[in-house]
Order: sequence, then C-alpha cells, then structure tokens
Amino acid sequence: GAGVSQSPRYKVAKRGQDVALRCDPISGHVSLFWYQQALGQGPEFLTYFQNEAQLDKSGLPSDRFFAERPEGSVSTLKIQRTQQEDSAVYLCASSLGQSETQYFGPGTRLLVL
Amino acid sequence: ILNVEQSPQSLHVQEGDSTNFTCSFPSSNFYALHWYRWETAKSPEALFVMTLNGDEKKKGRISATLNTKEGYSYLYIKGSQPEDSATYLCASPRTYKYIFGTGTRLKVLA
Repeated sequence: GAGVSQSPRYKVAKRGQDVALRCDPISGHVSLFWYQQALGQGPEFLTYFQNEAQLDKSGLPSDRFFAERPEGSVSTLKIQRTQQEDSAVYLCASSLGQSETQYFGPGTRLLVL
Repeated sequence: ILNVEQSPQSLHVQEGDSTNFTCSFPSSNFYALHWYRWETAKSPEALFVMTLNGDEKKKGRISATLNTKEGYSYLYIKGSQPEDSATYLCASPRTYKYIFGTGTRLKVLA
C-alpha cells in the first residue's frame, strides 16, 4: 500500500519568504508527527496530531512555525518569514495510534538563502 | 533530557565484510528501541522494534540485540552489500515523541 508522502521534496526559499510543506499520511492513521532534522543531527520532534487535534506543539522552534491538520488526514507545516536557521529536512510520520510504530515520509529538504 | 547516541558516526566497509554499530540510551524508564534504515532520497524504513531485555531480532542479513539494563543496542550486518549503504538511525520513544540518535552512515564499497 501507499506510504507517507511529502511535497515538495525540495524547496529553496529566500530569507523572509513563507513556505508550506505538505504531508499525506497512510490512510487510516490517526496519529501524525512532524520532525526537523538539521544538518549533522538526528530528527527532532516538532508537533503531534491525533486526528485533527494538535495535542503537542512543544517542539516548534518559534511562533513562525505553524502546523494544521483540519480534516484529520493531510497536514501542512507552514513557516513564516523563513530564516537561514530553518534550513533542514522536515520529516512527517504517521501511525495507527500514538504508541504504535511511526512510518516516515521521504522528507522535504528546505534550503533558505 | 533523554540522550540517544550512536557510534560510529560513519564507516566504510568492503563488500562482503560484516559490520556492527551501537546505539546507547538511558536505561531508566525504557519503553522501546526502534531501528530505521534511511537511504538517500527515500523514506526511513522501519527495521526493528525492540522492547525486551535480551531481545534479538533478525531480518535477512541484518540483526539487532538489546540490553536495557546497560542501555545499548547493537545492529549487525553480515556480508555487507552495496545496497546496504544508508544511514541507520535508532530512536527511543518517550510517550509518542521519538528521541533519535544522530545516525551511523554506512558506505559499502564494491
């Protein structure tokens, strides 16, 4: 079956530009997660959704980061006024439940110039 | 704060060699340990979920062991092949948050 998909795969943004990253989870997966992987680091938790409810956004680095999942399936991570330090790979994962194995998409590689 | 560490950071091996690398994690409040293989331009692939002390799991030429008392897991690859080239990540969940190591980047030379 289809796995988690993300788009775009690559994004180059000028500093100050707004970007939107999309995640399509595995059908039927209730839980959805976003992680950020900076160069040379492991992925770090950003936020968690259960269906359409955002239950944890403690990992979002600043108020320029915003995530939504309005219908409990597709999710969008938006970054406003991008900065160079936002350059990273953004991974989306989904799972059947919050304690189940998380399945990851291929990531969106964001480069802010 | 939970620190998950992996070593080595990277390694190169010849085709046919066997290799292994380490994931260490705090042993207190252990819940599970996940191994993922992440090939360039692809999604991280779930390899193993390990939960019990002494667990050994195997998938083809890849196997993993777990020691929860001392807080480490080993991943072994027997007879490495070029297609094994990837970054191997381990992650320890704290509730639903996965705490990842920085990964071991493996390059298998033909």
